[in-house]
Amino acid sequence: DQQVKQNSPSLSVQEGRISILNCDYTNSMFDYFLWYKKYPAEGPTFLISISSIKDKNEDGRFTVFLNKSAKHLSLHIVPSQPGDSAVYFCAASAAGNKLVFGAGTILRVKS
Amino acid sequence: GAVVSQHPSWVICKSGTSVKIECRSLDFQATTMFWYRQFPKQSLMLMATSNEGSKATYEQGVEKDKFLINHASLTLSTLTVTSAHPEDSSFYICSARETGGWDQPQHFGDGTRLSIL
Repeated sequence: DQQVKQNSPSLSVQEGRISILNCDYTNSMFDYFLWYKKYPAEGPTFLISISSIKDKNEDGRFTVFLNKSAKHLSLHIVPSQPGDSAVYFCAASAAGNKLVFGAGTILRVKS
Repeated sequence: GAVVSQHPSWVICKSGTSVKIECRSLDFQATTMFWYRQFPKQSLMLMATSNEGSKATYEQGVEKDKFLINHASLTLSTLTVTSAHPEDSSFYICSARETGGWDQPQHFGDGTRLSIL
């Protein structure tokens, strides 16, 4: 049973435009959510996180939105840059327990 | 930022060999470290949670006698794949969580590509 789903395997965006990566979850006990970025042959790099007491967290070009009623979170990257091209994973945990990862979305930013 | 070093990055060895992978947090202390496995085109799957000074907690289906985990200090955890066989070939990644609570993010190493011939 996939508790964290990233339904779009890939996304292609023009440089300078907004990239929106989506993630859905099923476990209502999840209270901490993270986004990671991964290049080939490297480990994931932490980007941004949000706890369930918030609905938005912003860090530079990256903003994460959380909609608890819909069990949905999204990562917005504005403006998108070619260096943002990577695989993006969302992850969730409940009360400090293990992280559960989505399958990832490949983002390609075209120049 | 927080840096996690994983070594070696690539191992090729014969079937029956035991392989040790090291995971170090370089600029922070990590009470808890995690070991993941990633199959091609799939997400990260947690194998075990390692707490400094205590026994690791293994996920269901992971053989603890096969995958030995030691977390002897706040900056080092090791995973030993004992008597490795071709089906153990995979990409293994460790992560470390900074001390300070469950809401600290995990920081990942760059992974170890293990190929068993």
